[in-house]
Amino acid sequence: DAGVIQSPRHEVTEMGQEVTLRCKPISGHNSLFWYRQTMMRGLELLIYFNNNVPIDDSGMPEDRFSAKMPNASFSTLKIQPSEPRDSAVYFCASSPREGAGGYGYTFGSGTRLTVV
Amino acid sequence: GEDVEQSLFLSVREGDSSVINCTYTDSSSTYLYWYKQEPGAGLQLLTYIFSNMDMKQDQRLTVLLNKKDKHLSLRIADTQTGDSAIYFCAETPENSNSGYALNFGKGTSLLVTP
Repeated sequence: DAGVIQSPRHEVTEMGQEVTLRCKPISGHNSLFWYRQTMMRGLELLIYFNNNVPIDDSGMPEDRFSAKMPNASFSTLKIQPSEPRDSAVYFCASSPREGAGGYGYTFGSGTRLTVV
Repeated sequence: GEDVEQSLFLSVREGDSSVINCTYTDSSSTYLYWYKQEPGAGLQLLTYIFSNMDMKQDQRLTVLLNKKDKHLSLRIADTQTGDSAIYFCAETPENSNSGYALNFGKGTSLLVTP
């Protein structure tokens, strides 16, 4: 299995531009999670999906952020318009069930976003 | 959300044991985890412990859980330079009231010196 695949690995964009981050979870995994990592705040859960349905989006910072999971093999996280404070590493993770249980999550390698 | 606290840095010499500590506040935590993050990479699950256990050993790794004090530790025996990384403690209550997502600490940077 190729693991959780995120693209792009690095993204540099200008303030005000739209940014789309992509994630392909492990085949057969029912749950997908988007996390953001910064030095100041550590790892923050943004949103998670179970069976393609958003379950908890309380961590999404504001209306500029949106996430979709149109099918079991693909999810996007969109920021529009982007701001410098959105600069962070964004991780996608998947799990075979809604709870991590004894399996935990499998993380992708992350997308490092820089907004200038 | 509930808090998971870790010390930020730990430095040890190669061959010594490392102990990374974590405290958490959610008394309903069901599973507790240790993840490792190497530079430029995602998080990799190292080990986990179920809340009804107080110790788990896996090769060089020993996890101790004191549920009364809500304290979790990770001991790495015979620490090697390849163990240098950031170690994250995480917990989940796994119930429909508190949710199913993992709640992470801010990570402990472990530096192993020759």
